[in-house]
Amino acid sequence: TQLLEQSPQFLSIQEGENLTVYCNSSSVFSSLQWYRQEPGEGPVLLVTVVTGGEVKKLKRLTFQFGDARKDSSLHITAAQPGDTGLYLCAGPNAGGTSYGKLTFGQGTILTVHP
Amino acid sequence: DSGVTQTPKHLITATGQRVTLRCSPRSGDLSVYWYQQSLDQGLQFLIQYYNGEERAKGNILERFSAQQFPDLHSELNLSSLELGDSALYFCASSVAPAGPYEQYFGPGTRLTVT
Repeated sequence: TQLLEQSPQFLSIQEGENLTVYCNSSSVFSSLQWYRQEPGEGPVLLVTVVTGGEVKKLKRLTFQFGDARKDSSLHITAAQPGDTGLYLCAGPNAGGTSYGKLTFGQGTILTVHP
Repeated sequence: DSGVTQTPKHLITATGQRVTLRCSPRSGDLSVYWYQQSLDQGLQFLIQYYNGEERAKGNILERFSAQQFPDLHSELNLSSLELGDSALYFCASSVAPAGPYEQYFGPGTRLTVT
């Protein structure tokens, strides 16, 4: 069973601070995705990383896929209250007929205080 | 707007009852996934359908069942409801079987069992 562990579980910071969220596994993933979810809403896809060592930027968010494709990180620069939410990493299960089924990490709840 | 629609948005019912949640995937997506999200369990995968066929099962109770119809919409049936079934239920869709298996989530149905 492929598992994804996210850390930290909770993050409470002041506006303007930088932060990093980690997503780790002992398994290799063909790709990893990051989602952001606001209370009462569905998760929204932020980015997909596919190549080991890949770095993708989305405004103040920087996503990195580990060289061995077992881990990923999300770095937010100068966090804003609008970044508040639940951040989830997810990766597709390998093999079998359940293609497309994703394993999700437990999530990181980020609160950015003004 | 992800393009995935779910109805109803909210549902309040009594223990022992049966409800049906409905999901329409994004245009062109053949795979539909159902998830349950509660405060203490995170996002839990229930079941996946691809082009009308069941492809993967997760932590889905025997009291729950789902199907995907020829027009690709899907329904999740929950019966003999218990208080512990109160949760957010999300539907997601993807183009799978091809990678990288990005999923697009609907707005969810909030089920409250009283």
